Amino acid sequence: DVVMTQSPLSLPVTLGQPASVSCRSDHSLVHSDGNTYLSWFHQRPGHSPRRLIYRVSDRDSGVPDRFSGSGSGTHFTLKISRVEAEDVGVYYCMQSTHWPPGTFGQGTRLEI
Amino acid sequence: QVQLVQSGSELKKPGASVRISCETSGYDFTDYTINWVRQVPGQGLEWMGWMKTDTGTPTYAQGFAGRFVFSLDTSVTTTYLQINSLKTEDTAVYFCARDDEFDYWGQGTLVTVSS
Repeated sequence: DVVMTQSPLSLPVTLGQPASVSCRSDHSLVHSDGNTYLSWFHQRPGHSPRRLIYRVSDRDSGVPDRFSGSGSGTHFTLKISRVEAEDVGVYYCMQSTHWPPGTFGQGTRLEI
Repeated sequence: QVQLVQSGSELKKPGASVRISCETSGYDFTDYTINWVRQVPGQGLEWMGWMKTDTGTPTYAQGFAGRFVFSLDTSVTTTYLQINSLKTEDTAVYFCARDDEFDYWGQGTLVTVSS
């Protein structure tokens, strides 16, 4: 199975400042169809995860443009340009290139 | 709009069984797979497997074959997760999520196993 490793696991931030989460895989996530199936999710306490980004950099509908995804191959990054209070929670990366199984990173807890 | 609505929390004794439902709406049910994800309290997300809704074929992740059973009823656009012979370590929140890119999620169902 593909192993996804996130860093940092805890991310203290200041409101209005940028934040960045790294996600690395132990296999390239480029699919034979040419796409890279790497997604980012945000989970607030007591809520289900919400997908923010899919296929590395495509933002889901309704996701603020302060969220952006980048990367290729085995290294990916989620960036928040200016952190707002509602951004607290845990962020997960997930790959679905090598399917099944889908594999999640350990999660990064963003705290203000 | 697309919705996945799960059944409510359950409190069960060890050895019992539980069935969780995930009712979908807002799209053609058989066009998308349904995944099941487990989250033990305070821990991360773990993929349990998926159900191909067009064929009714389940696939189980390692560690979830045997006591965990996926099923569906296309007439009510609902997928089910049944857990048999419950153990205390099955205490977790269980989520359903649509498609292999997990675009929509249910609200989660807390299953507590305690004597």
